[in-house]
Amino acid sequence: GAGVSQTPSNKVTEKGKYVELRCDPISGHTALYWYRQSLGQGPEFLIYFQGTGAADDSGLPNDRFFAVRPEGSVSTLKIQRTERGDSAVYLCASSSILAGVGNEQFFGPGTRLTVL
Amino acid sequence: EDQVTQSPEALRLQEGESSSLNCSYTVSGLRGLFWYRQDPGKGPEFLFTLYSAGEEKEKERLKATLTKKESFLHITAPKPEDSATYLCAVQAVRGSARQLTFGSGTQLTVLP
Repeated sequence: GAGVSQTPSNKVTEKGKYVELRCDPISGHTALYWYRQSLGQGPEFLIYFQGTGAADDSGLPNDRFFAVRPEGSVSTLKIQRTERGDSAVYLCASSSILAGVGNEQFFGPGTRLTVL
Repeated sequence: EDQVTQSPEALRLQEGESSSLNCSYTVSGLRGLFWYRQDPGKGPEFLFTLYSAGEEKEKERLKATLTKKESFLHITAPKPEDSATYLCAVQAVRGSARQLTFGSGTQLTVLP
């Protein structure tokens, strides 16, 4: 597609439930990133994939959060035993390592997660 | 630890009233400094990348500049459609790390 797409756009769940958020990056982009954005704040890094492997998962807050990218394209962020504090907008971005040293990251529209 | 501070938090301008947004940063080694625009309910939209002190980039009414400690986003003769939150982010030179560290943004409102 022309840009990064994310589904669903909105997700409401109950405390303790499991959720999956999907990201479809720009075609041909080898790098994929997940960020989390709370109201009034800038995005906060969670995890970075280069191809199929997680190159840096230092931003994942705890072991309830996990992400995969099995074929090097679509990625899924998985959150177990959701807590009210997990409520935020989850953003996905992709970039082409070949684009240059700065590696501009292009963001999707986000998934707004609300944990009741 | 990388840090990015943006000021002011909010800025209201009259149409045509030029101004600047500030982004102060501390990073062990700068790979790049990025400016994004974010409209309500949408993801950040890429504007500029700056790599080294003294570099400048322009796009329509926007001009971004970079020093060793801060970056400015100058807005010349803004229009109401420039209203958005402007985010600054840094990417550090640190092994394979590629994540962006963002500031909290400046919410710009341009009144007609």
